[in-house]
Amino acid sequence: GQNIDQPTEMTATEGAIVQINCTYQTSGFNGLFWYQQHAGEAPTFLSYNVLDGLEEKGRFSSFLSRSKGYSYLLLKELQMKDSASYLCAASDSNYQLIWGAGTKLIIKP
Amino acid sequence: EAEVAQSPRYKITEKSQAVAFWCDPISGHATLYWYRQILGQGPELLVQFQDESVVDDSQLPKDRFSAERLKGVDSTLKIQPAELGDSAMYLCASSPGTSNSGANVLTFGAGSRLTVL
Repeated sequence: GQNIDQPTEMTATEGAIVQINCTYQTSGFNGLFWYQQHAGEAPTFLSYNVLDGLEEKGRFSSFLSRSKGYSYLLLKELQMKDSASYLCAASDSNYQLIWGAGTKLIIKP
Repeated sequence: EAEVAQSPRYKITEKSQAVAFWCDPISGHATLYWYRQILGQGPELLVQFQDESVVDDSQLPKDRFSAERLKGVDSTLKIQPAELGDSAMYLCASSPGTSNSGANVLTFGAGSRLTVL
């Protein structure tokens, strides 16, 4: 079956760095997405990786290893507004998105 | 900035009643998705349209749910009759690419939160 695993909840301190991991098992692979979702709001797109390596976008970076079925989202210089759920989604051979349950990130002052 | 419009934002209904949600995607976006999201879980795809055609409705409970996108623009999702377990956030999303495009970034609407009593 197809599956996405990511931690349920993480806590970090304002100004610090946090890494949110995601492992996936899909039938075929056409890329890995990260979305941010604040409580009660819609998900918003953060990043897309289809090749191995690190993609940097400001304070946020995303990494992909296709051979390991693994990705992570790295958030630097954490701000209180980064408190949200982070959703990992993998695109399968039919370009259908398989979604994880999300990682709730709690930022403490 | 272009947005996906959804209404209503909130809906409270009694079980066995009918309920409908409306979505207007970003202009020019060919692909439209309806997702259901239960608190603490990831989005679950209910139905995907490419223009006016259904691409995937394998997870849509067709005995009570229906969806249409008659002119390939806006879309309606209907539930009849509503059940207690239908309480969730219903998210509409659209994307510019065709359904077989890799970097098909979804833009979500604000969602319609349904409570069934």
